[in-house]
Amino acid sequence: NAGVMQNPRHLVRRRGQEARLRCSPMKGHSHVYWYRQLPEEGLKFMVYLQKENIIDESGMPKERFSAEFPKEGPSILRIQQVVRGDSAAYFCASSVTGGSSYEQYFGPGTRLTVT
Amino acid sequence: AQTVTQSQPEMSVQEAETVTLSCTYDTSESDYYLFWYKQPPSRQMILVIRQEAYKQQNATENRFSVNFQKAAKSFSLKISDSQLGDAAMYFCAYRSAIRGGSNYKLTFGKGTLLTVNP
Repeated sequence: NAGVMQNPRHLVRRRGQEARLRCSPMKGHSHVYWYRQLPEEGLKFMVYLQKENIIDESGMPKERFSAEFPKEGPSILRIQQVVRGDSAAYFCASSVTGGSSYEQYFGPGTRLTVT
Repeated sequence: AQTVTQSQPEMSVQEAETVTLSCTYDTSESDYYLFWYKQPPSRQMILVIRQEAYKQQNATENRFSVNFQKAAKSFSLKISDSQLGDAAMYFCAYRSAIRGGSNYKLTFGKGTLLTVNP
């Protein structure tokens, strides 16, 4: 049973470009969470999605960031017009359902570097 | 809002010795989960151990055990017989168990970098 997949593992973008990060949850999981890890920091919650629904995006910056989890295909975290401060590791996690007793399984992360 | 504090940015231990990593948290909730995650150089987040707040018994997973002090809001991780493969960043995390709230959010501390010396 494959774990949570994220690609690319490393992404380099110049300031002003767009970054698209992909997350394929574990088989049978329909709940996806995105977290961001800035240098020297712990992970911080960004957004929680179910298939075709954004449940909570309270941790996501209001501008330039968006996330989706379509009916088919991976979840996408999109950052438009990237700036140096967006450089971070972005982790996706998935769970079979959203209740607190259900463990979130993490992917290996995507390290975004903005030059 | 809940906060998680790890006061030790770095720790080191000799191979085969025991080390304890500290974590304190702040919450007004009575029902929650606490976790320790390991992040090796590969950056993969690996769940080490989990504690339910309603359980008085401390969780144990092989060489890893916790000391959960609910009244003091303290949740330390003890690693016994340390191995070179234990070297990693360790994160303490909190998750609410209250229904209807944001019980899907994990709140992490800033981490403790553990070095294991041969």
